[in-house]
Amino acid sequence: DIEMTQSPSSLSASVGDRVTITCRSSQSISSYFNWYQQKPGKAPQLLIYAASSLQSGVPSRFSGSGSGTDFTLTISSLQPEDCAIYYCQQSYITPYTFGQGTKLEIK
Amino acid sequence: QVQLQESGPGLVKPSQTLSLTCTVSGGSISSDSYFWSWIRQPAGKGLEWIGRIYASGDTNYNPSLKSRVTISGDTSKNQFSLKLSSVTAADSAVYYCARDVPFYSGSARSWFDPWGQGTLVTVSS
Repeated sequence: DIEMTQSPSSLSASVGDRVTITCRSSQSISSYFNWYQQKPGKAPQLLIYAASSLQSGVPSRFSGSGSGTDFTLTISSLQPEDCAIYYCQQSYITPYTFGQGTKLEIK
Repeated sequence: QVQLQESGPGLVKPSQTLSLTCTVSGGSISSDSYFWSWIRQPAGKGLEWIGRIYASGDTNYNPSLKSRVTISGDTSKNQFSLKLSSVTAADSAVYYCARDVPFYSGSARSWFDPWGQGTLVTVSS
């Protein structure tokens, strides 16, 4: 299975900060890569697909980049509603696998 | 707008079979444009893809669960189902169903959107 490793596992930032979360895959996955946001007690929601494409309805402060093995999710100006756990996921080969999650808290 | 809703028993005894159904509205599971997956999340832990079903009825399972999993579809009810046999406490989790959206037409590679709200299943005697 392809292993997805996110960093950091958790972070705390202030409203208005620029936040970056990274994800590394254990082998090259081209751009078959996605980001999800999960708020407490809710199902994950798609944020970014194909590494850098913003899902419809997602605020433009979210952006994704990367290809191959290294990927980044950036929030340009952190908002209170961005408090959540963020997961990366590879779609290159089944079984599809997820990162362990990054818990983002607001200071 | 497609919506998915999981249903099924919230408590299953060890060694028995877990059975869940996902009802799809606003879209058809018979559509060749999408696939349909089950994903689970143990309490406080990460996400694990269980498997998926295609419009053709073909399936694709996570090898870690393959010997115990069956995913099937009922086009007349626009539902797809998950059966997981010989369950243990380690199978306790929130189970989600989700639509697989292919990266491009004809691709088997996909992302998950949308997801159902999830249903908690506890394995306990």
